[in-house]
Amino acid sequence: EAQVTQNPRYLITVTGKKLTVTCSQNMNHEYMSWYRQDPGLGLRQIYYSMNVEVTDKGDVPEGYKVSRKEKRNFPLILESPSPNQTSLYFCASSLRYRDRNNEKLFFGSGTQLSVL
Amino acid sequence: SQQGEEDPQALSIQEGENATMNCSYKTSINNLQWYRQNSGRGLVHLILIRSNEREKHSGRLRVTLDTSKKSSSLLITASRAADTASYFCATDAAGKLIFGQGTELSVKP
Repeated sequence: EAQVTQNPRYLITVTGKKLTVTCSQNMNHEYMSWYRQDPGLGLRQIYYSMNVEVTDKGDVPEGYKVSRKEKRNFPLILESPSPNQTSLYFCASSLRYRDRNNEKLFFGSGTQLSVL
Repeated sequence: SQQGEEDPQALSIQEGENATMNCSYKTSINNLQWYRQNSGRGLVHLILIRSNEREKHSGRLRVTLDTSKKSSSLLITASRAADTASYFCATDAAGKLIFGQGTELSVKP
């Protein structure tokens, strides 16, 4: 089944404790992206990747890192989480690559992160 | 400010009625997409309409695009309780896909 798999679904942590949210897709998509969703602010893009070893900042990259060593995986890393990073996070992928238009995004089920 | 803004923010209707949601945007776009989100879950793609298209249908969904007014509408006909969800428009402009804040639809049985 074509899907984007995120783990974990829920995560509670404390300020400053490094964490990684994993994301994997099985559709051979070149484009992958991370979003955070907050009430009243909608979805905001954190980082995106057009292909292996190619990553770029989105609208709210501060406090986050990503890597794209393999096509299927795009982990989101919080080196030193803070309470303002408490949010619902989504990974997404699509066929878009290079300068083509964005095609439809496939989303993971989300990771609800609470930073105490 | 948001590229795509949905209107209304919330909509409550009875089962069987039609639901119409609107999306306005500011800049030229390559395409506009509509997504649905059930409470706290991942977004699911509903329909994509390209900038050179004016109307598109998919089952009970009808999307229109008016590039002169920079607006789009999503019509769900004969709504069902299972259509209760949040609906987002996303505009593809300058290489980025930007989401609006969504319309929360409640369909009462």
